[in-house]
Amino acid sequence: EAGVTQFPSHSVIEKGQTVTLRCDPISGHDNLYWYRRVMGKEIKFLLHFVKESKQDESGMPNNRFLAERTGGTYSTLKVQPAELEDSGVYFCASSNGQALYNEQFFGPGTRLTVL
Amino acid sequence: DAKTTQPNSMESNEEEPVHLPCNHSTISGTDYIHWYRQLPSQGPEYVIHGLTSNVNNRMASLAIAEDRKSSTLILHRATLRDAAVYYCILRVFISNFGNEKLTFGTGTRLTIIP
Repeated sequence: EAGVTQFPSHSVIEKGQTVTLRCDPISGHDNLYWYRRVMGKEIKFLLHFVKESKQDESGMPNNRFLAERTGGTYSTLKVQPAELEDSGVYFCASSNGQALYNEQFFGPGTRLTVL
Repeated sequence: DAKTTQPNSMESNEEEPVHLPCNHSTISGTDYIHWYRQLPSQGPEYVIHGLTSNVNNRMASLAIAEDRKSSTLILHRATLRDAAVYYCILRVFISNFGNEKLTFGTGTRLTIIP
């Protein structure tokens, strides 16, 4: 079974540009999460989808960040315009949502560098 | 989520047991204790979880104090592949059927000495 995949693995952009990160969860997983670790900080939650609906977006830092999950499959996280402080590693995770306990399976992350 | 306290770093010799402590003195009755770890250049991965009783799985054991204010993750025989940052996380389970977000702290960086 394929794990959670993220694309690209690395992205280097200039301040003010737009970047779109993609996450493909494990097939059949209804729950999809985005997290990020910015320089020197802890991993922080961004938002949680259940299928195509946003269940919890309390961690989204500001309106420059837009997450979508059309059709309840893959998800994209767009940063527009990117700022220097957005640099970090963005992780996606998914979970089944059907079991009694649902562990989260993480992707390898996308390393974003904003110059 | 309630706060956890872990040592910043620990070292252990290869093929010896490792005991990773976690303090969670403000834990509530509905908080489950979870452990995730992050290997170098990878995303976090689930290790184990428990509520009150000690738990064992193929990766590790979780020993939970009787008052639940602390717990210990036990790796029975550490290998070089176990070098990672280990996160102890408290998470309310009941309210959203175990699908809530994870709140990561700083974790313990475990170094395995060959």
